Amino acid sequence: SQKIEQNSEALNIQEGKTATLTCNYTNYSPAYLQWYRQDPGRGPVFLLLIRENEKEKRKERLKVTFDTTLKQSLFHITASQPADSATYLCALGGRTGTASKLTFGTGTRLQVTL
Amino acid sequence: KAGVTQTPRYLIKTRGQQVTLSCSPISGHRSVSWYQQTPGQGLQFLFEYFSETQRNKGNFPGRFSGRQFSNSRSEMNVSTLELGDSALYLCASSRAGTSGETQYFGPGTRLLVL
Repeated sequence: SQKIEQNSEALNIQEGKTATLTCNYTNYSPAYLQWYRQDPGRGPVFLLLIRENEKEKRKERLKVTFDTTLKQSLFHITASQPADSATYLCALGGRTGTASKLTFGTGTRLQVTL
Repeated sequence: KAGVTQTPRYLIKTRGQQVTLSCSPISGHRSVSWYQQTPGQGLQFLFEYFSETQRNKGNFPGRFSGRQFSNSRSEMNVSTLELGDSALYLCASSRAGTSGETQYFGPGTRLLVL
């Protein structure tokens, strides 16, 4: 069955450093992968999308890579700030017909300290 | 532009009862998806509706059902509630639910079953 693994332990880093979050998957050939941020008591907020034929995407301080051979995505936040503290979720999406059916990882909690 | 709204935000029910949750998508969005989020299982896809038709379905029992109205608003219903149904129920909307399209999540309805 499809399985998505993210760092189960919380990630604690110092302000200004780069946070790197990992998303590994098995038994899946996604058409695209998305990263979301979720704050306590709120719904996930979309951050970045990368398609299966793309290697890297950037948006401001965020960067995502996608390696379909390794079945892995890395999500980087550079110059991290305490406001970046949240849970980050990766989600895999399918192709036509099942495109909207996202399969989520369990998330990684990021804590950025001063 | 108003975001996705969900009502009610909080709900307490007892085992055996049924519950109906409502979701109003962003104006112009025709695809509405529902997810269940629990600490143990994370975010799990329930179903997706597009143009009043269920287009995708997750692996949940028949006690979980939904519908979509002509104005794209959606409701989900859970009958014969069980303790394990306690969760945050999230809905997400997108224009057409096509591959790679951003899904916008609502704040969720937190359901507690006693």
